Amino acid sequence: QKEVEQDPGPLSVPEGAIVSLNCTYSNSAFQYFMWYRQYSRKGPELLMYTYSSGNKEDGRFTAQVDKSSKYISLFIRDSQPSDSATYLCAMDNQGGKLIFGQGTELSVKP
Amino acid sequence: NAGVTQTPKFRILKIGQSMTLQCTQDMNHNYMYWYRQDPGMGLKLIYYSVGAGITDKGEVPNGYNVSRSTTEDFPLRLELAAPSQTSVYFCASRPTGQVLTEAFFGQGTRLTVV
Repeated sequence: QKEVEQDPGPLSVPEGAIVSLNCTYSNSAFQYFMWYRQYSRKGPELLMYTYSSGNKEDGRFTAQVDKSSKYISLFIRDSQPSDSATYLCAMDNQGGKLIFGQGTELSVKP
Repeated sequence: NAGVTQTPKFRILKIGQSMTLQCTQDMNHNYMYWYRQDPGMGLKLIYYSVGAGITDKGEVPNGYNVSRSTTEDFPLRLELAAPSQTSVYFCASRPTGQVLTEAFFGQGTRLTVV
């Protein structure tokens, strides 16, 4: 079983839609849960993160963690064409090991 | 600061050849990582290091070797290239800290094995 699972998509939505991206994980040692965004032919960049369970909001983006279900989500409100990218969840066991999901390719159509 | 620098950016290798992908960072980060990314896929961890002299296997270490003799450099060695190693390779680094620290990525090395 993979430590982190993510639906690879691709996902295509119209501009203004609400987008939901999700990951599941199996390792209870994970404490930090991150979302990275990767534009085509570029390296990933950190979008936002949460520690343990709960929600975190940053502008149009909301990250949720449910440790009891081992499930994390990223919501994008009022999606824009500039949000078109691959979104990768990532997890850290605080021992330095950083594991990524498969990534979900998102396309927001004008 | 240059950040994380990877060389080369592109390389075509023949089956059975060897090469070293170079990665250097000037941010004095203790943690360094090597990932591979196949088309349409996420990042798979090959090896990582939590400091000079310390390396550990990730999810897909077979066919690769690493060393970490200095804080700045973390080269990845392919000994006998195989077509299955055709991929984009990313090096990343991040500082240690009591709270989460961001990983910074290089621009990637596109490797084709023919």
